[in-house]
Amino acid sequence: ETGVTQSPTHLIKTRGQQVTLRCSSQSGHNTVSWYQQALGQGPQFIFQYYREEENGRGNFPPRFSGLQFPNYSSELNVNALELDDSALYLCASSLGDRGSREQYFGPGTRLTVT
Amino acid sequence: ELKVEQNPLFLSMQEGKNYTIYCNYSTTSDRLYWYRQDPGKSLESLFVLLSNGAVKQEGRLMASLDTKARLSTLHITAAVHDLSATYFCAVDKNYGQNFVFGPGTRLSVLP
Repeated sequence: ETGVTQSPTHLIKTRGQQVTLRCSSQSGHNTVSWYQQALGQGPQFIFQYYREEENGRGNFPPRFSGLQFPNYSSELNVNALELDDSALYLCASSLGDRGSREQYFGPGTRLTVT
Repeated sequence: ELKVEQNPLFLSMQEGKNYTIYCNYSTTSDRLYWYRQDPGKSLESLFVLLSNGAVKQEGRLMASLDTKARLSTLHITAAVHDLSATYFCAVDKNYGQNFVFGPGTRLSVLP
């Protein structure tokens, strides 16, 4: 069974640029959630995708957008980067509304905006 | 709005001692999750608590859930240095749609 993977591991961008982060869900999982974790804080929910459709969104502006593909992998896009976007971005996969609804987290992408 | 609090936020304890971390949440939920995070790493699932009164144990850690009191505890028995990490509780807000995490408890076990 393949776990959740994310790419890239680290990324440095300049304010105003755009970035795309990628996530491959665990085998058999149809749901991907994205979280932002600032240094020293708990993860904050960005949005969730279930079977290629957005299934919930947290308090993040529209410049945070995403996609889910037919193989259930997902992308997180952030436009017009701001310094406060510097954080660890985590994706988590799950079986949607079935079972324990436990979310399995990937290793994360650390984004630094300068 | 669902709020999740943890107490304490920082905990320094000696090896061999026992301690409890508390997780309170503000609205009804019957599912609670505990995660561990090592510095610079991702989240590792520790426990999934699915009903009122649920108790789970793994090694020196034991977690429980009281949905009526909206309280979960993570009890550490005879702490060892390897348990040093940040521990997060998370509440399932909307049938798996998103988790709301607590601020984390940073545990340091000293020899």
